[in-house]
Amino acid sequence: GQNIDQPTEMTATEGAIVQINCTYQTSGFNGLFWYQQHAGEAPTFLSYNVLDGLEEKGRFSSFLSRSKGYSYLLLKELQMKDSASYLCAVTDSNYQLIWGAGTKLIIKP
Amino acid sequence: ETGVTQTPRHLVMGMTNKKSLKCEQHLGHNAMYWYKQSAKKPLELMFVYSLEERVENNSVPSRFSPECPNSSHLFLHLHTLQPEDSALYLCASSQAGDGIGPQHFGDGTRLSIL
Repeated sequence: GQNIDQPTEMTATEGAIVQINCTYQTSGFNGLFWYQQHAGEAPTFLSYNVLDGLEEKGRFSSFLSRSKGYSYLLLKELQMKDSASYLCAVTDSNYQLIWGAGTKLIIKP
Repeated sequence: ETGVTQTPRHLVMGMTNKKSLKCEQHLGHNAMYWYKQSAKKPLELMFVYSLEERVENNSVPSRFSPECPNSSHLFLHLHTLQPEDSALYLCASSQAGDGIGPQHFGDGTRLSIL
């Protein structure tokens, strides 16, 4: 079966750095997405990786290793507003989007 | 206007009621989606429409009935729901229905079945 694993919950301190990991086992691969979802709000698109390596976008970076079936989302200079759930999703060989259950990130002062 | 708008934001209904959820997108996208989001579970894809044609069903119970009258509007008709159907229902749109481009989500309808 197809599966995406990410930690259920993480806690970090304001101003620090946190890395949220995502591992996937899917039938083929056509790209990996990260979304942010604040409580009671819509998921919003953060990043897209289709080739190996690091994509940087401001305080957020996303890394992909296709050979390892692994990605991470790196958040730097954490702010209280970064408290949210972070969803990892993979497009498989049939162009179906497979979703992880999300990682709830709690930022403490 | 925000990109994807869903109404109502909250809905409480009995198991014998009939109601409809509405979604509208103002992004000029060609694909629209219905998802079910339950606590601590992955998003469950319910329906996909691409160019107003349904392309995915994912074995959703018949008590959920989608309707896509045009590329900007999507409805989810509900009838005879069960308590386990209580969840957040999210609508999304994308440029194409090929899973390549990002999806843009509405804020969802929080549905509670009594």
